[in-house]
Amino acid sequence: EADIYQTPRYLVIGTGKKITLECSQTMGHDKMYWYQQDPGMELHLIHYSYGVNSTEKGDLSSESTVSRIRTEHFPLTLESARPSHTSQYLCASSDRDGPDTQYFGPGTRLTVL
Amino acid sequence: KNEVEQSPQNLTAQEGEFITINCSYSVGISALHWLQQHPGGGIVSLFMLSSGKKKHGRLIATINIQEKHSSLHITASHPRDSAVYICAAPRGWASGTYKYIFGTGTRLKVLA
Repeated sequence: EADIYQTPRYLVIGTGKKITLECSQTMGHDKMYWYQQDPGMELHLIHYSYGVNSTEKGDLSSESTVSRIRTEHFPLTLESARPSHTSQYLCASSDRDGPDTQYFGPGTRLTVL
Repeated sequence: KNEVEQSPQNLTAQEGEFITINCSYSVGISALHWLQQHPGGGIVSLFMLSSGKKKHGRLIATINIQEKHSSLHITASHPRDSAVYICAAPRGWASGTYKYIFGTGTRLKVLA
């Protein structure tokens, strides 16, 4: 079983609040990913990290930001949440170059009122 | 047209039935990933395969790289198999890394 964790699992907040979604993995993986998934839709990559101090934007434009100060930790921050940010956010990690397995966290379901 | 397409989009089966989910892709890849997403949202990796067939319990995955097609089979289906099954094609990206192109998923419901 993959050791990748996300908190909170569910979050309901009001518009304008700053939020941070946490993602941690204990497998020592260099690569970590954030995906956004709307109900009934496919996953879209919003952020990617090769390793400590490296982050890249994904395919889907997102107003969120990420940081990678430690290998095991890859938090995602929304400075001012809006209803359009309501979605599920999934974190994943992998450990090698090549099309290897990505391990997914349980996801955070965010609702912005 | 999506680069990764799955069929059917929705599937309802009776317990015990043999189930097949198909994935066709237009991107050039060397392997394909099958994922399972439960109603709670968590995703579990089922198979990564680059040729032939892989089996794990009641799940069997096959791939034909030349025809750009993969299938996921579930034998003796059970209500606990109810989930969304997603195929993902890892495509070469920048600096030797890969990113996934995801299908929209097949929503399977197995009735007791």
